[in-house]
Amino acid sequence: EAGVVQSPRYKIIEKKQPVAFWCNPISGHNTLYWYRQNLGQGPELLIRYENEEAVDDSQLPKDRFSAERLKGVDSTLKIQPAELGDSAVYLCASSSQGDGELFFGEGSRLTVL
Amino acid sequence: KNQVEQSPQSLIILEGKNCTLQCNYTVSPFSNLRWYKQDTGRGPVSLTIMTFSENTKSNGRYTATLDADTKQSSLHITASQLSDSASYICVVFHTGGFKTIFGAGTRLFVKA
Repeated sequence: EAGVVQSPRYKIIEKKQPVAFWCNPISGHNTLYWYRQNLGQGPELLIRYENEEAVDDSQLPKDRFSAERLKGVDSTLKIQPAELGDSAVYLCASSSQGDGELFFGEGSRLTVL
Repeated sequence: KNQVEQSPQSLIILEGKNCTLQCNYTVSPFSNLRWYKQDTGRGPVSLTIMTFSENTKSNGRYTATLDADTKQSSLHITASQLSDSASYICVVFHTGGFKTIFGAGTRLFVKA
């Protein structure tokens, strides 16, 4: 069974540029999460989807971050414009139920210069 | 405030030695506690999951314990190997807020 797939693995951009990350969760997993992880820290939730509905986006900086999961399967996280402080690893995870085990992708490492 | 605190922040041990990582949490109510292993540059991978009624759970050389009364958990690694070098993250599911709360992790270095 394929795991959670993320792309790109690495992205280097200049500040004020846009960037987008893509995630394909494990087949059949209705719950999808986007996390941001800074060096030496645990992941911090940005947004949680149940199917195509964003049920928790309270920590998503909505002035520059946006996300979508149009058909309740894969998802895209966008940052526009990027700032220096956005440099981090963006992790996507999925689970078969809301309090079930989280399965993480390998992450997308963003460097903003 | 619902928090997960891990100690030590980092740890260096020699290959073959045992070690114990600590996790204290203030999350309430909670339904389960998990330990994840995160290799450098990779996503976290689940090691163990315990419900509030379980006291111990093993996965090979990894043994997790849970004391729901004192709100403490530990992860014991037996006969460490070089491949155990990673971050170990304690994760508690907050039933009230339906949120997964992560600790900052313990960075373990196993030296030959």
